[in-house]
Amino acid sequence: NFILTQPHSVSESPGKTVTISCTGSSGSIASNYVQWYQQRPGSAPTTVIYEDNQRPSGVPDRFSGSIDSSSNSASLTISGLKTEDEADYYCQSYAGSNREVFGGGTKLTVL
Amino acid sequence: EVQLVESGGGLVQPGGSLRLSCAASGITFSTFWMHWVRQAPGKGLVWVSRINSDGSSTSYADSVKGRFTISRDNAKNTLYLQMNSLRAEDTAVYYCARQWEPMFDYWGQGTLVTVSS
Repeated sequence: NFILTQPHSVSESPGKTVTISCTGSSGSIASNYVQWYQQRPGSAPTTVIYEDNQRPSGVPDRFSGSIDSSSNSASLTISGLKTEDEADYYCQSYAGSNREVFGGGTKLTVL
Repeated sequence: EVQLVESGGGLVQPGGSLRLSCAASGITFSTFWMHWVRQAPGKGLVWVSRINSDGSSTSYADSVKGRFTISRDNAKNTLYLQMNSLRAEDTAVYYCARQWEPMFDYWGQGTLVTVSS
């Protein structure tokens, strides 16, 4: 089974830049698009990045996504951190056999 | 405005059944693949099931295969999840989500299913 692994938590100060990784367990993570979702407590997830590096309308350009084939990882980078960015972030991709997979989620603390 | 509204959650005993519904509005429901995603209390998102636009193809996570059935009624703009033989580990908030290209672009607010005696 294809698994996406994320760090459990990251923290950074307001105004700084943070990067959250998402590592694929097998194959090439570049073979299928990776999406990133933000989830605040008590709310449904919302998309911040789709198709590896595309931002939906309304998502600030402080959010960016990338793929590193050498490490078989996707990354979400948030620059100019704001306290409102504090949330859980999940990567998601196609797992094959008509199934989808989410990473375990990363809790971002902006302190 | 696009809205997905789940219903049907509640408390059920182990081994029991429940049917969740997801009513869609503001979208051409019949043209989109739909998914169920769940989240156990304090845990992460887990993909559960998906159905294609006309209901002819379905897929399931191994953890629910053989116990859950996804279906849809395009005339009623509604997605369903029939859950049988429920276990304590099925306790979660269940979200329906619309798939657009590779992403889930619209999500419902979720409905809580609690499996407990």
